Amino acid sequence: ILNVEQSPQSLHVQEGDSTNFTCSFPSSNFYALHWYRWETAKSPEALFVMTLNGDEKKKGRISATLNTKEGYSYLYIKGSQPEDSATYLCAPDVDQGGKLIFGQGTELSVKP
Amino acid sequence: ETGVTQSPTHLIKTRGQQVTLRCSSQSGHNTVSWYQQALGQGPQFIFQYYREEENGRGNFPPRFSGLQFPNYSSELNVNALELDDSALYLCASSLEPGRETQYFGPGTRLLVL
Repeated sequence: ILNVEQSPQSLHVQEGDSTNFTCSFPSSNFYALHWYRWETAKSPEALFVMTLNGDEKKKGRISATLNTKEGYSYLYIKGSQPEDSATYLCAPDVDQGGKLIFGQGTELSVKP
Repeated sequence: ETGVTQSPTHLIKTRGQQVTLRCSSQSGHNTVSWYQQALGQGPQFIFQYYREEENGRGNFPPRFSGLQFPNYSSELNVNALELDDSALYLCASSLEPGRETQYFGPGTRLLVL
């Protein structure tokens, strides 16, 4: 069974703080890594799909890096805002067919 | 908004019953994947349909089955419901299988009593 681990499980920060989370996954049979942002009572929102070792992607204040050789990805949020409060999920695709294996997520709470 | 809708939003069933959950994909998306999220866990892959054929299955028993229709709608059917089937069920559509962004619906919350 493929094990995808995200840390920390939860994070509480003040508005303006920068933060980062980790996603660890087995490096064998890797095809892509998906990051999602999921607010309560809404649909998970796609942030990034990353495929190449060394990939860096950015969307506004959120960026992500990928290391496929060692099996990890970092998600960074610069200057957190209350609206960034959500659960952040990573999911590798390990068979090239889009069958995502999700981690448990990191729950971020940003206080004003 | 992802353009993916699911119905119903909530559902209560009793053990042994059957349930059908529905998903409407984005127009033009030939692939739909279904996931189950139990409390405290990340979503787990159930199966995927591509052009109306099953295209991969996770570790779920045969009483979980699906259908995909030409009009970009799909169904997840669960027979002989068990208490552990209580979960949030999510569908996600994409253009093709593979390294494509998957667009998720808001989910159907199923409670089995």
